[in-house]
Amino acid sequence: NAGVTQTPKFQVLKTGQSMTLQCAQDMNHEYMSWYRQDPGMGLRLIHYSVGAGITDQGEVPNGYNVSRSTTEDFPLRLLSAAPSQTSVYFCASRDRADTQYFGPGTRLTVL
Amino acid sequence: EDQVTQSPEALRLQEGESSSLNCSYTVSGLRGLFWYRQDPGKGPEFLFTLYSAGEEKEKERLKATLTKKESFLHITAPKPEDSATYLCARGGGYNKLIFGAGTRLAVHP
Repeated sequence: NAGVTQTPKFQVLKTGQSMTLQCAQDMNHEYMSWYRQDPGMGLRLIHYSVGAGITDQGEVPNGYNVSRSTTEDFPLRLLSAAPSQTSVYFCASRDRADTQYFGPGTRLTVL
Repeated sequence: EDQVTQSPEALRLQEGESSSLNCSYTVSGLRGLFWYRQDPGKGPEFLFTLYSAGEEKEKERLKATLTKKESFLHITAPKPEDSATYLCARGGGYNKLIFGAGTRLAVHP
């Protein structure tokens, strides 16, 4: 099992550009989520999904969009990048024992 | 509002010097208290889940305990490879995790 994979590892964007952060898991987990991690702060939940076709907002959803067409994939879209979205983004999936497995992260810089 | 507070922010230990990390959390609606380890440039790695006061779990040199308001991560005789950031999180509705800012642990030989 590859676990949770994320691409790209690094990305630099200009203000106003859009992009999609990819996330995939091969553990057949229903629950997936996206977090951002900023210095001095805990990971904050952006969006989550409890299964294919079902998504909901987390703590900091503004400026981000998600969809869940398959169990395996949960992409995160930045609609119009802003410098405040410079962060490290982590995707996670959860098993039935409540354990969340995190991907390696995407480091995003918005200029 | 759900909150998780970790202390200290940073901790420096000599190899073999035991210590504890603290995590205090809002109690209402708790659905599990989670500990993760995060190495630089990597995603968090699951360590423990605790559900009820008095519960304890151990893994190698780490032991996590839970009271009604706090959780502790005890590190016994740490080694340099235990150096990492340790994250605490409380579970809430839909198993959303609310994370603390973490404790950066450095263990020196």
